[in-house]
Amino acid sequence: EADIYQTPRYLVIGTGKKITLECSQTMGHDKMYWYQQDPGMELHLIHYSYGVNSTEKGDLSSESTVSRIRTEHFPLTLESARPSHTSQYLCASSSRTGGTATNEKLFFGSGTQLSVL
Amino acid sequence: GENVGLHLPTLSVQEGDNSIINCAYSNSASDYFIWYKQESGKGPQFIIDIRSNMDKRQGQRVTVLLNKTVKHLSLQIAATQPGDSAVYFCAESKKTGFQKLVFGTGTRLLVSP
Repeated sequence: EADIYQTPRYLVIGTGKKITLECSQTMGHDKMYWYQQDPGMELHLIHYSYGVNSTEKGDLSSESTVSRIRTEHFPLTLESARPSHTSQYLCASSSRTGGTATNEKLFFGSGTQLSVL
Repeated sequence: GENVGLHLPTLSVQEGDNSIINCAYSNSASDYFIWYKQESGKGPQFIIDIRSNMDKRQGQRVTVLLNKTVKHLSLQIAATQPGDSAVYFCAESKKTGFQKLVFGTGTRLLVSP
């Protein structure tokens, strides 16, 4: 069982509100990721981090921003939410260890389902 | 660019049958492949992975097969159970800089008793 936590699980807010989605992991992983997923669709990488003070944009353009001040914490912020931001947001982490085939697998949180009205 | 896709969006099987979920990829530079299971309302859960220097890898009730010639990946689930009902995603990555997984669309597996 992965030790990666996301809060809140569900969030319904009005247009224009600022929100922060929380993600924490207790595994000491250096890499963390944010994926966006629409119902029944594939996951799209929107942000990732190599480690503390490192943040990069992913393959899918997103108006959100992230920060990585502590190893275990990787929050995602939307300054002004819009209905187009309605989606599920999944946080993940990974750590490269040794040379086995399992050393790059991502551990995912349960996700935050965001609905912007 | 990379393209990871699945042949069938939904697969329905009877409990006890073997299930085969297929995945095609187009990036011949990919050297790592992974299958995830996602139940409703949950994040993806790791099932099994395989590197490009292998063509088969077995886990508990699951087997992943990799055919690099035709760029095809499959997940076999033996003696499928109702608890296996979920959406299954394949993903690929390549060893160039930061390892980023590219996910396919997903196949929904429905297991009826």
